[in-house]
Amino acid sequence: NAGVTQTPKFQVLKTGQSMTLQCAQDMNHNSMYWYRQDPGMGLRLIYYSASEGTTDKGEVPNGYNVSRLNKREFSLRLESAAPSQTSVYFCASSPLGLNTGELFFGEGSRLTVL
Amino acid sequence: GENVEQHPSTLSVQEGDSAVIKCTYSDSASNYFPWYKQELGKGPQLIIDIRSNVGEKKDQRIAVTLNKTAKHFSLHITETQPEDSAVYFCAASMEYGNKLVFGAGTILRVKS
Repeated sequence: NAGVTQTPKFQVLKTGQSMTLQCAQDMNHNSMYWYRQDPGMGLRLIYYSASEGTTDKGEVPNGYNVSRLNKREFSLRLESAAPSQTSVYFCASSPLGLNTGELFFGEGSRLTVL
Repeated sequence: GENVEQHPSTLSVQEGDSAVIKCTYSDSASNYFPWYKQELGKGPQLIIDIRSNVGEKKDQRIAVTLNKTAKHFSLHITETQPEDSAVYFCAASMEYGNKLVFGAGTILRVKS
């Protein structure tokens, strides 16, 4: 079972470059999320999509955009990367409503911005 | 908004001993409290959760307790094993319609 798949797993960018993190889930879940994980700060929600066709801001949305392409796919875009966006990014999905149940996480994408 | 504080940040125990991780939350409206375990190089995985209508929940060697009056909840792991070594996150949210807020995490090391 694939679950939640994220690509790429590792990426190095220069300041000002752009990139898109891809996420796909094969569990037919309605809700999808993007989190970032930084040392000593836990997991912070960047954006979420409660259902296909909707997206909303989380705690730390500045510098990011998202697209819910279809029910399976939810991408995160950095338009002009900054060193402060160096982090590990996790995509997650949930079968229930917004954060009302178990989150299923991908294995993460480690991004370094120089 | 909700704020979740988690202690300790690191915890070392001897194999077979118990481990306890504590979290406090700020929003009295929160009523859903999950715990996630993250192994090295992987995404977090739900290990147990509790809703506010119960004070304790057990699943084999893992238990969670909740004190709504004091706004804190704890994870208890008994008879720890080396495979319990991981980072543990607590979280809190209102059950319907609100975002899950995570604590900063606890690195648990079980020494054999």
